Amino acid sequence: DIQMTQSPSSLSPSVGDRVTITCRASQSISIYLNWYQQKPGKAPKLLIYAASSLQSGVPSRFSGSGSGTDFTLTITSLQPEDFATYYCQQSYSTPWTFGQGTKVENK
Amino acid sequence: EVQLVESGGGLVQPGGSLRLSCAASGFTFSTYSMNWVRQAPGKGLEWVSYISTSSSTIYYADSVKGRFTISRDNAKNSLYLQVNSLRAEDTAVYYCARGGTYYGIHFDYWGQGTLVTVSS
Repeated sequence: DIQMTQSPSSLSPSVGDRVTITCRASQSISIYLNWYQQKPGKAPKLLIYAASSLQSGVPSRFSGSGSGTDFTLTITSLQPEDFATYYCQQSYSTPWTFGQGTKVENK
Repeated sequence: EVQLVESGGGLVQPGGSLRLSCAASGFTFSTYSMNWVRQAPGKGLEWVSYISTSSSTIYYADSVKGRFTISRDNAKNSLYLQVNSLRAEDTAVYYCARGGTYYGIHFDYWGQGTLVTVSS
């Protein structure tokens, strides 16, 4: 199975900050990498697919980059509604696996 | 508007069974693959099972293989998960998720989830 490791596990930025979350795969997965946002008590929401393609309706302050084993989700200017947990997911091979999550907490 | 509505969760004893359902609307159900993804309380996301549009291709996570069965009824716009031989570690919110396809399968729409609690 492909292991996905996110860092950091949590962070406490301020509104307006630039936020970067990293996801590393245990083997090369090309650009078969997706990002989700989950708020407490809610279902996850797709943000980015194929490493850098923005899902329809997602604000442009979200962006993704990377290929191979190292990927990044960037929020250019954090908004109050962006406090949530973020997950990466590899779609290269089954079983499709998720990272452990990165919690973006309000200070 | 795409909508996925799960049902069928509840409290069940270890070794018991449940049938989870997912009613789809707002899109042509028969043209999309579908998945079940679960989340144990306070934990991360775990993909459980995949079914192709015509049910010809099915995948399971090793943790549920032989105990869970995914199926779909395109005429009823519905997805199902038969969960048998339940264990405490199967306690989770179970989400149905539509499969988007571009560089593999991503989960582009999710239902609100149904909670399965396995406890005596």
